Amino acid sequence: QLQLQESGPGLVKPSETLSLTCTVSGGSFDTSGHYWGWIRQPPGKGLEWIGSIYYSGSTYYNPSLKSRVTMSVDTSKNQFSLKLSSVTAADTAVYYCAKQGAVVSHWFDYWGQGTLVTVSS
Amino acid sequence: QSVLTQPPSASGTPGQRVTISCSGSTSNIGSNYVYWYQQLPGTAPQLLIYRSNQRPSGVPDRFSGSKSGTSASLAISGLRSEDEADYYCAGWDDSLSGWVFGGGTKLTVL
Repeated sequence: QLQLQESGPGLVKPSETLSLTCTVSGGSFDTSGHYWGWIRQPPGKGLEWIGSIYYSGSTYYNPSLKSRVTMSVDTSKNQFSLKLSSVTAADTAVYYCAKQGAVVSHWFDYWGQGTLVTVSS
Repeated sequence: QSVLTQPPSASGTPGQRVTISCSGSTSNIGSNYVYWYQQLPGTAPQLLIYRSNQRPSGVPDRFSGSKSGTSASLAISGLRSEDEADYYCAGWDDSLSGWVFGGGTKLTVL
């Protein structure tokens, strides 16, 4: 069974950079041949797509976050990462990583459990 | 303000059939598939419907999806207490070159 696990600091100071990693394990999948996405959910609110990255490194970012987002992938470790710079309280959310298919418009079929990141001094 | 529009809430009694709507535009629902996710309290979203009307294995056939023009619907028949959850529609938007989600619909089983 494919598993995704987010990891990273649960508390980030305003104006600093949020950094999260998603580790893929189990099943017959690795990071190759798929897109991998990040989605967030502020407390009590809906889902927001942050961006997606192909195993080769090609990226798609949410236009509203594009200037602050950087994604990367390490196929040797079966990991992909998210960096969000200049964070504010509005970036406080549960951050999910998820697997997609071979095309960026393919759906998110496996999700991590999510990790809460709070932006506060 | 979400790109896809859903009613904030819906309700029904056990055994009833309920539908949840999702309205978009020609750049998303009108030209691409729609997906539905179920989010039980405190858990990650789970895929409920893919490619507008397909169910992943393990999803009961009480759940069905449809799409017409720039709108889509999720129908749940034989409503059960465990269906109480938040439901989100989603899809790819060609104009934004990105994924868009609905604001979510909280389903209450009375």
